[in-house]
Amino acid sequence: QQQVKQSPQSLIVQKGGISIINCAYENTAFDYFPWYQQFPGKGPALLIAIRPDVSEKKEGRFTISFNKSAKQFSLHIMDSQPGDSATYFCAASGSGAGSYQLTFGKGTKLSVIP
Amino acid sequence: NAGVMQNPRHLVRRRGQEARLRCSPMKGHSHVYWYRQLPEEGLKFMVYLQKENIIDESGMPKERFSAEFPKEGPSILRIQQVVRGDSAAYFCASSPTTGANTEAFFGQGTRLTVV
Repeated sequence: QQQVKQSPQSLIVQKGGISIINCAYENTAFDYFPWYQQFPGKGPALLIAIRPDVSEKKEGRFTISFNKSAKQFSLHIMDSQPGDSATYFCAASGSGAGSYQLTFGKGTKLSVIP
Repeated sequence: NAGVMQNPRHLVRRRGQEARLRCSPMKGHSHVYWYRQLPEEGLKFMVYLQKENIIDESGMPKERFSAEFPKEGPSILRIQQVVRGDSAAYFCASSPTTGANTEAFFGQGTRLTVV
């Protein structure tokens, strides 16, 4: 049972455009939602994270939007650059027992073309 | 401060052989997590260890897989009698503490190919 569903599977965006990746979760016990960026041959690196007590968090060109009632959250990359080309994973974890365990989406391969 | 170090980066094993994957956590980190990434899939949790203790192995296959994190030395993920379906990228992560919202730092992974 996949607990975090991510879409789209792949995304092509023109340089300077906005990249949007969406995730939906099922487990209402989740209360921490990080996004990871992974370049080919590398491990995932934490990009930005949000907790459900806020609806939006912005760090530079990266913004997470969170909709608790819909159990959805999304990553927006403003002014997308070719260097942003990577695979992005959303993830979730809870605060109780097992809070260390991240549940990942399947990933979105982003290509930013000049 | 070196990051999470995993070795080897690439490992090729024939069916039936054993695979040993090593992970040295970041300095000061005593919590280690192993994840497996199949092609075109997200990472799946396998096991969580602290020094000399397995805390949660709920994601580990029941047979052929084992993990340890000894008092001295790296954490080891061991796969006995490998099969083609074990081919994947195995990532180790570490954190200084555990609990809600604790950031785990990932290594570069070991890519296991079973031929």
